[in-house]
Amino acid sequence: DSGVTQTPKHLITATGQRVTLRCSPRSGDLSVYWYQQSLDQGLQFLIQYYNGEERAKGNILERFSAQQFPDLHSELNLSSLELGDSALYFCASSKRAENQPQHFGDGTRLSIL
Amino acid sequence: SQQGEEDPQALSIQEGENATMNCSYKTSINNLQWYRQNSGRGLVHLILIRSNEREKHSGRLRVTLDTSKKSSSLLITASRAADTASYFCASSGNTGKLIFGQGTTLQVKP
Repeated sequence: DSGVTQTPKHLITATGQRVTLRCSPRSGDLSVYWYQQSLDQGLQFLIQYYNGEERAKGNILERFSAQQFPDLHSELNLSSLELGDSALYFCASSKRAENQPQHFGDGTRLSIL
Repeated sequence: SQQGEEDPQALSIQEGENATMNCSYKTSINNLQWYRQNSGRGLVHLILIRSNEREKHSGRLRVTLDTSKKSSSLLITASRAADTASYFCASSGNTGKLIFGQGTTLQVKP
């Protein structure tokens, strides 16, 4: 058990809809990362937050947004969903912002019908 | 794409044999990390090697790093059936962002 909790585990929805994925980092970790894993793109970094502030941005679509709250949990919002958004979305956390091993949750599997 | 490459894409060995996976990356790094992923599960951190290190050991794992060639290798000695998984290298620069390779799928036959 990594200590990182992601909910929900599975999500099935339709094109055009909006969903929110939730992540609780390991106790004491200040940095949260979001990654997308798909068969065609592999593992792609989306965004990083450190202690509530955005720290780094990757290949995150404009339809996607995220935030980290004062209690350090994070949410990833995906809107105007398309079939190609179907993927595994992982949250990871680490104590500091860089040069740290990252601890991954079990992911949210998003299926767009 | 910034993604690194891993070689081989798939590897099948017998229990007790050693497994070697190679990784190349594209940009300058602060560290390089290796992760394991069991089917559809979250990634598990295995080892982190900093850019000023050349070799690191952890149990049955040995990682090397050659920054001049932008490459790394992971050696798993005396493999076990439980080592069956996908293995990913991930490079990290000035931020915590990880750039992953495409992964090596390892099958260890009992």
